Amino acid sequence: NAGVTQTPKFQVLKTGQSMTLQCAQDMNHEYMSWYRQDPGMGLRLIHYSVGAGITDQGEVPNGYNVSRSTTEDFPLRLLSAAPSQTSVYFCASSDGSGNTIYFGEGSWLTVV
Amino acid sequence: DQQVKQNSPSLSVQEGRISILNCDYTNSMFDYFLWYKKYPAEGPTFLISISSIKDKNEDGRFTVFLNKSAKHLSLHIVPSQPGDSAVYFCAASARSNTGKLIFGQGTTLQVKP
Repeated sequence: NAGVTQTPKFQVLKTGQSMTLQCAQDMNHEYMSWYRQDPGMGLRLIHYSVGAGITDQGEVPNGYNVSRSTTEDFPLRLLSAAPSQTSVYFCASSDGSGNTIYFGEGSWLTVV
Repeated sequence: DQQVKQNSPSLSVQEGRISILNCDYTNSMFDYFLWYKKYPAEGPTFLISISSIKDKNEDGRFTVFLNKSAKHLSLHIVPSQPGDSAVYFCAASARSNTGKLIFGQGTTLQVKP
């Protein structure tokens, strides 16, 4: 079972470059979200979506864009990368029933 | 403002003993709490959860206790095993936003053989 799949796993960007982190889930979950993890900060919510066509901001949305055109995919876009966006990014999905939320394996991003 | 706090960055226990990890929250709208375990270079994996209508939930060696009046929850692992060594995150949500979790900073548990 694939679950939540993130690509790429590792990426190095130069300041000002743009890129998209891909996230796909095969569990037909309505809820999807993006988190970043920084040392000593735990995981912080960037953006989330409660269904196709619906997105909202989390705790740290600045510098990131999202869209949800299908139930399966929830890409995270960095329009102009900054060194402060160096982090590990996790995508997650859930069925909204109050049960578990499943995470992908993470994407390590370095902005130089 | 940190809505979910894990005040102990690390904890070391002997194999076979009890591990107790603590978590405090400030937002009274939170009504669903989860514990995740994370190994290096992997995504968090779900461990156990508790709804605010309960004060205890047990799953094998893992038990979560919730004290709503104190806005405090704890995870007990008995007996602790070396394979339990990982970072443990406490997370909270309001049921109306089950895709939206607020995490604590994490506690690194080391279980010594």
